Amino acid sequence: DAKTTQPPSMDCAEGRAANLPCNHSTISGNEYVYWYRQIHSQGPQYIIHGLKNNETNEMASLIITEDRKSSTLILPHATLRDTAVYYCIVRGSIYNQGGKLIFGQGTELSVKP
Amino acid sequence: NAGVTQTPKFRVLKTGQSMTLLCAQDMNHEYMYWYRQDPGMGLRLIHYSVGEGTTAKGEVPDGYNVSRLKKQNFLLGLESAAPSQTSVYFCASGTGITEAFFGQGTRLTVV
Repeated sequence: DAKTTQPPSMDCAEGRAANLPCNHSTISGNEYVYWYRQIHSQGPQYIIHGLKNNETNEMASLIITEDRKSSTLILPHATLRDTAVYYCIVRGSIYNQGGKLIFGQGTELSVKP
Repeated sequence: NAGVTQTPKFRVLKTGQSMTLLCAQDMNHEYMYWYRQDPGMGLRLIHYSVGEGTTAKGEVPDGYNVSRLKKQNFLLGLESAAPSQTSVYFCASGTGITEAFFGQGTRLTVV
């Protein structure tokens, strides 16, 4: 299972962009990068995922480097409600790993007024 | 549409007692997962299932058993609870290639 490395904590000013980095240097060619977040010990909430191209949805953007060894989650205009633990996950293949999501420690993002 | 429902939401057990946690999903998902989360930690995968009648071990399977007799349900059993199993348990379901949906958790305390 590919492992990920994230900074344990980050701060961001409300209204500014939050850029959360993730290293996944052992990722395999068919493994996707997923981002989830967890607010106040609730169930994790899906944010976005990608394989090799940059992705954007209504919540965030995902930038994956060309060598796929790292990625950045961007929350374009962070609000206080974005304060949460953010998990970067390399998802196992469904063919031999059951599509497992293996969580690391995550980054605790604090959005401050 | 209920999504992923976990039963019960809270439980206190005495050491040595047994119990079963139920995860039910109404999205016709093939893949289901059980995780535990200890304070200040990320989620750790206990067991998972890639379809009805199948189960597989995750990162921390010891002390737990699972069953997937029906596609919509994934049961997690503790045969003889220990204080080390005090945790928050999360269930998730998905197609395996798109996002997985998580339940709201079961908070279990073993005294």
